[in-house]
Amino acid sequence: GAVVSQHPSRVICKSGTSVKIECRSLDFQATTMFWYRQFPKKSLMLMATSNEGSKATYEQGVEKDKFLINHASLTLSTLTVTSAHPEDSSFYICSVGDWETQYFGPGTRLLVL
Amino acid sequence: AQKITQTQPGMFVQEKEAVTLDCTYDTSDPSYGLFWYKQPSSGEMIFLIYQGSYDQQNATEGRYSLNFQKARKSANLVISASQLGDSAMYFCAMRVNAGGTSYGKLTFGQGTILTVHP
Repeated sequence: GAVVSQHPSRVICKSGTSVKIECRSLDFQATTMFWYRQFPKKSLMLMATSNEGSKATYEQGVEKDKFLINHASLTLSTLTVTSAHPEDSSFYICSVGDWETQYFGPGTRLLVL
Repeated sequence: AQKITQTQPGMFVQEKEAVTLDCTYDTSDPSYGLFWYKQPSSGEMIFLIYQGSYDQQNATEGRYSLNFQKARKSANLVISASQLGDSAMYFCAMRVNAGGTSYGKLTFGQGTILTVHP
């Protein structure tokens, strides 16, 4: 299966700062990547679809100016949480794949103080 | 709109026994895919098994099998010969064929926490 990495695995930041999370597809050329968010002991919720070379598609209720997505190459998508606040603290996880399989990265735990 | 329901918040099973995790779904799209993922405490999402809506046979992967009952819209996961390492959160997910790049847009159930006792 595809190998997906995320960096950082864990980040703590102060309220008001911006945090960038990288998602790399190590062995799969991904024109599309997906960003999910998960609160403790809850389900995963799709935030946005990252499209290589074009704008991301955001799910209803997700602020595009708050969660900036850049997909500059077939192997890298970044999610930037701008002006982070404590309510943005969550587990962020990306995925790549094909019709029958979606492979997920190891996730990034964000804690905003 | 599609919906996935997992009605078991927690399940307990004795080591070496089999366990069934329930999943029901709802969609009006005739073409869809059903997935099961395992999420241990580390947080990583581990792909377990996939069933396509047009697949005639139930999917199997090692100790995992998917009991696909299309008319009942259920896709239960059966884990045989449970091991201590199977203790984790399990998610059922669905993808509908909405065209374009939607194949990666998974809708997840609420999850079931499985605990395997020695």
